[in-house]
Amino acid sequence: QQQVKQSPQSLIVQKGGISIINCAYENTAFDYFPWYQQFPGKGPALLIAIRPDVSEKKEGRFTISFNKSAKQFSLHIMDSQPGDSATYFCAASSTGTASKLTFGTGTRLQVTL
Amino acid sequence: DSGVTQTPKHLITATGQRVTLRCSPRSGDLSVYWYQQSLDQGLQFLIQYYNGEERAKGNILERFSAQQFPDLHSELNLSSLELGDSALYFCASSLRPQGYGELFFGEGSRLTVL
Repeated sequence: QQQVKQSPQSLIVQKGGISIINCAYENTAFDYFPWYQQFPGKGPALLIAIRPDVSEKKEGRFTISFNKSAKQFSLHIMDSQPGDSATYFCAASSTGTASKLTFGTGTRLQVTL
Repeated sequence: DSGVTQTPKHLITATGQRVTLRCSPRSGDLSVYWYQQSLDQGLQFLIQYYNGEERAKGNILERFSAQQFPDLHSELNLSSLELGDSALYFCASSLRPQGYGELFFGEGSRLTVL
């Protein structure tokens, strides 16, 4: 019930291309869906987040698309750059007295020249 | 720099031993979270403290324990270590006790059990 499934496990995209990472969840109580970016040797850092009252959120080249009925959300990276090469984690949580983020297993993105 | 400090950065020890990982949260953050990251399991939530009190528990083994001190720093104690405990252990902090809002992660403590 608490699981967040993420795919693909790894992704190679050419510079300028679109990177797409997908996540699916089961717990309908989840109401906060962030994406974290992690560079080698560093901790994850918040990239962008969405609440289920909107279907899309865009920040620069990064867009989250959210489909509440399908219980799926995805990260799109437009005009992918080599500097975007990192591991991306989707996550989900619900409000409550003892909520915590449940992370997906991560996607290692490599953007080639 | 997230403002979260973790020590030590690297730790090598033997099976059966006990280690303590330390975390200082961002200034002003009251909530501390511990996560374990291994290659095949992603980020696994272990435990959360808020202002000194245990707030939520995840997949934390009985051999592991944690606490948050009055100055808000936290320690994760790992005992009777096994090879499978080798992983990156992350501490994160946030202002609020709940899931909303940003978690700020430290750079992790890499534990190797030989």
